[in-house]
Parts: sequence; structure tokens; C-alpha cells
Amino acid sequence: DAGVTQTPRHEVAEKGQTIILKCEPVSGHNDLFWYRQTKIQGLELLSYFRSKSLMEDGGAFKDRFKAEMLNSSFSTLKIQPTEPKDSAVYLCASSLGKETLYFGSGTRLTVL
Amino acid sequence: GDSVTQTEGPVTVSESESLIINCTYSATSIAYPNLFWYVRYPGEGLQLLLKVITAGQKGSSRGFEATYNKETTSFHLQKASVQESDSAVYYCALGGDNNAPRFGAGTKLSVKP
Repeated sequence: DAGVTQTPRHEVAEKGQTIILKCEPVSGHNDLFWYRQTKIQGLELLSYFRSKSLMEDGGAFKDRFKAEMLNSSFSTLKIQPTEPKDSAVYLCASSLGKETLYFGSGTRLTVL
Repeated sequence: GDSVTQTEGPVTVSESESLIINCTYSATSIAYPNLFWYVRYPGEGLQLLLKVITAGQKGSSRGFEATYNKETTSFHLQKASVQESDSAVYYCALGGDNNAPRFGAGTKLSVKP
């Protein structure tokens, strides 16, 4: 089975741009998570879906961050508009129920 | 809210020394917390190291151990003798049946040969 696939691996954006990150979860997994990873904060939850329904939306990220599950095998994270402080690694993970999370390799975003 | 606090890194130890990375949690909205340690080795993605879903139980993997202590709300990671290959970033995480796992800030471990 393929693992979690995230694209692109790297993204460079100008301040104010809109960017869309993509994630394909492990086939058959019904939970999907988006996290932001920084050295200072560690992993911060952005969004959590179960069977395509939004279960949690990271409170601090609601205004410019929007995650969607278009179908059970594809999710996007839109950041609009981007700011330099958004520079980080964005991780997507999936799981089956409350079991182990399987993480993608992440997208490294740099906002100039 | 639900949160995890762990040893602030970086932590540097010599090979064959013992290691403990502290982790404490606060589970205000999770009735029956599950506790995890995840690890990111250099050049690799984040992966599960061990998990414990029942209070009082111990989990182990790759020589690491962690005991779920409900009384002290702790889940410290320990290893009796570290190896250079244990150099990585370790994350403690707290989850529940209907909650996304909350992660600590991560602890970078460097093991000197």
C-alpha cells in the first residue's frame, strides 16, 4: 500500500498569494489530519476530518487556512493570503479510527 | 484545553548513557486519553515509536519504554543505553477516540559516539 502522499514537496510564495497544498491519504483510512510543524511550536493542528466530515478546526488558523476533503482519497489545504509567518512544514497524516497516524513527507512552505 | 509538555531540547548524551525525555499532559476534553511517542529520524518522515492506550500500562519499542501514569499525568520516554542511531526528534502526543492528537514541541536528541 502506498503511504500518505503530499505535493508539492516545496513551495515558495510571495506574501499575499494563495497557495494550495495537496494530500492523498493511505487507501482505506477514514481519518485525515493537517498539522503545521515549526521548531518552536512543534506540531500544531490545523484540521481533522473523519469520513470527510470536519471534526476539528484549529482555532488559531481559521481565518486564512481552509482544508477540504474533496473525496475520501484527496484533501487540500488552502492558505489565503499567505504571510511570511506561515513559513513552515505542513504535514498531512491519516489513520484508521484512533489507531496510529501515518504521516506524509510534508510540504515545506517559504513565504517571502 | 488538551496539551502536552515535554523536555525542551536539544538534548545531548553520550553513547551507552541512559536517557529520559519527560512528557506531561493535560486532558481536559478527553475522557480516556491515548498516549504516543512519535520519532523523526534524520531524512525520514514522522513515525510511531510506541503507544499506550490504557492507564498503568507500559509500551516499548527499539529499547525505549514509556509508562502511562494517570496519577501524575505523565508519559516519560526512557532508554537504558542509547546508541548513535537514536539521534532524532521525539514527539509526545495525546489523543482520544474523537480528538485529533495533540503533540508536544518535540525534543531533539543527539547521541555522541
